[in-house]
Amino acid sequence: AQTVTQSQPEMSVQEAETVTLSCTYDTSESDYYLFWYKQPPSRQMILVIRQEAYKQQNATENRFSVNFQKAAKSFSLKISDSQLGDAAMYFCAFNNAGNMLTFGGGTRLMVKP
Amino acid sequence: GAGVSQSPSNKVTEKGKDVELRCDPISGHTALYWYRQRLGQGLEFLIYFQGNSAPDKSGLPSDRFSAERTGESVSTLTIQRTQQEDSAVYLCASSSSRRSNQPQHFGDGTRLSIL
Repeated sequence: AQTVTQSQPEMSVQEAETVTLSCTYDTSESDYYLFWYKQPPSRQMILVIRQEAYKQQNATENRFSVNFQKAAKSFSLKISDSQLGDAAMYFCAFNNAGNMLTFGGGTRLMVKP
Repeated sequence: GAGVSQSPSNKVTEKGKDVELRCDPISGHTALYWYRQRLGQGLEFLIYFQGNSAPDKSGLPSDRFSAERTGESVSTLTIQRTQQEDSAVYLCASSSSRRSNQPQHFGDGTRLSIL
C-alpha cells in the first residue's frame, strides 16, 4: 500500500516571500503520478501542480514549482512570491493505478501581510 | 454545469437515520470517486466507479456505506444507521478516464453532521 506523509502541520510565510512545503511517500511502484492540491475554506480541492514519475524535469506552474527526488521519494512544493490568496490547506497526493488518490494529512499555509 | 456538483452542501441528521448524498460529475467524465475528509485530516478514499465496470469498493469503512452510479451520470452515496463517527465532509471527484495522469476534479463537498 502507498502512504503519503506531510510532516509540517502548519507553515507561515511573509507575503512576497518563498515557502517550501514537504511531502514524502512510500511505494514499490516505478510509474506513478504525484499531485499537489490546494483546499481553501470553501472546501473545494483545486489542483495546483502534477508530476509524472518518469520525468526527471521538475514541473512548474507560474509561481508554483516542485522538487521531485524520486530516489528519496520526496515531492516538495515551492511557492514563490507568496500572495494572501495562497493561504489554504495544501495536500500532497499519489496515484499509480488510475484509481483513487492517496493523500497526505495536509499542511496549513498562513500568509502574513 | 461546468464543474462537479454535490448536494446537499450541508446535512445535519440524528444518529441512526439514513442519509443520501448526491454527486453530479462533469459531463463526459467516465471515472467518479467518493472520498471522506474528517475534521483537520486528509482525504480517505471510499469508492470508485469507472464506466460500466464493477466499482472498487475497497475503501468503504463498513456495510452501512453503499454507493450507486447509473452509467456515467449521477452517483449517490448512502449511509445507513448513521453514527457520530460518520460526521465528516464527503467529497466527490470525477476525471475523464481512469488513467493516472488525468487529474481528478472535485466538488465542494457535503458537510455531514450527526447529532
